[in-house]
Amino acid sequence: GAVVSQHPSRVICKSGTSVKIECRSLDFQATTMFWYRQFPKQSLMLMATSNEGSKATYEQGVEKDKFLINHASLTLSTLTVTSAHPEDSSFYICSAAPTTYEQYFGPGTRLTVT
Amino acid sequence: AQKVTQAQTEISVVEKEDVTLDCVYETRDTTYYLFWYKQPPSGELVFLIRRNSFDEQNEISGRYSWNFQKSTSSFNFTITASQVVDSAVYFCALRARKGTASKLTFGTGTRLQVTL
Repeated sequence: GAVVSQHPSRVICKSGTSVKIECRSLDFQATTMFWYRQFPKQSLMLMATSNEGSKATYEQGVEKDKFLINHASLTLSTLTVTSAHPEDSSFYICSAAPTTYEQYFGPGTRLTVT
Repeated sequence: AQKVTQAQTEISVVEKEDVTLDCVYETRDTTYYLFWYKQPPSGELVFLIRRNSFDEQNEISGRYSWNFQKSTSSFNFTITASQVVDSAVYFCALRARKGTASKLTFGTGTRLQVTL
């Protein structure tokens, strides 16, 4: 149980285009989902906290208009990187929290912007 | 503010050696959770352990053991008789118990390389 999926696992896009990443909790409902970003050989940095049915809370320094988060249901959150640039190339990881004390991570999405 | 420090950036050991990964944390909260995750080259985070701040008992799971010392704010992780499959990046993380969000603060990670 407690499986979180992400789609796609890898994506390559051209500079200036937008790309959407999906995060799904497969066998549980998650009122809260988190989006992390990880640059090569670095730690995970929280980008935003997403609560179902409400606006996401972004961490300081994360551009809301560039990283659009939609948490439309209790099992799905999406992250859209708008007008992507090479510096947005990174590993994006989501996690889903069925309770305040648990958090399950997805397998990650590797984004490459050319 | 919360902070997790993993001072060891990279560790290289020969198979069958024991290795300890250090983790020191800072928090003003009186109740909190500590975690260890393993991140193999595939990138997926693998949950290893969660420890409540009230529970200072050390834990052993197979070749893995954890030493939680509240007095020194440390939560160290030891792998006994390391194996090549243990090669990965290991992250220590902290979460305050208060509040409704399970927001985790990660350390910078320790890259462990186990060679034959």
